[in-house]
Amino acid sequence: DTAVSQTPKYLVTQMGNDKSIKCEQNLGHDTMYWYKQDSKKFLKIMFSYNNKELIINETVPNRFSPKSPDKAHLNLHINSLELGDSAVYFCASSYSGTLHFGNGTRLTVT
Amino acid sequence: DQQVKQNSPSLSVQEGRISILNCDYTNSMFDYFLWYKKYPAEGPTFLISISSIKDKNEDGRFTVFLNKSAKHLSLHIVPSQPGDSAVYFCAASEYNFNKFYFGSGTKLNVKP
Repeated sequence: DTAVSQTPKYLVTQMGNDKSIKCEQNLGHDTMYWYKQDSKKFLKIMFSYNNKELIINETVPNRFSPKSPDKAHLNLHINSLELGDSAVYFCASSYSGTLHFGNGTRLTVT
Repeated sequence: DQQVKQNSPSLSVQEGRISILNCDYTNSMFDYFLWYKKYPAEGPTFLISISSIKDKNEDGRFTVFLNKSAKHLSLHIVPSQPGDSAVYFCAASEYNFNKFYFGSGTKLNVKP
């Protein structure tokens, strides 16, 4: 009964392709996030949703489009993948200030 | 513009001794601070937090100290155990929790 689960765990694809990463949380939290961990290991926020509404979009290229069909799900769709998109992407949810992370999706663009 | 910084990329400590991990921040509006622990191929897991109204919070072997005037916090692990070997991230947020800012992590190695 994983609290925050994201799929796939690994994603290898070619430049120019479109791909999606799915995230689901069963904690009943209202707020969900996408974070990107780059090659320098910084964890940087990309998006934040509260009750399916976008509240933070941290100057992410519009090739990245989050979609929240309900408050338990926050998927990330990426168009026209570029080499620089290679990173580990973490989904998270929170309630009262504590973030709960999924195990990450390692995206490799070749 | 890294608002949360962890200047030590790695730390090595003998089992049983104290581990001290440090974190500095620049934004005086930060109200809430957290430490996360991360093992390879897993997501970060919450360890301990502290709000700006306190200067210390303790949970078992883990204690977080906050010095608001110096914009500095630290995580003490006593006694350190080999299972504590992981990457530790410091994070900070303003009161609304909309955004959490993370440091770059410190890799702790506890030697048996």
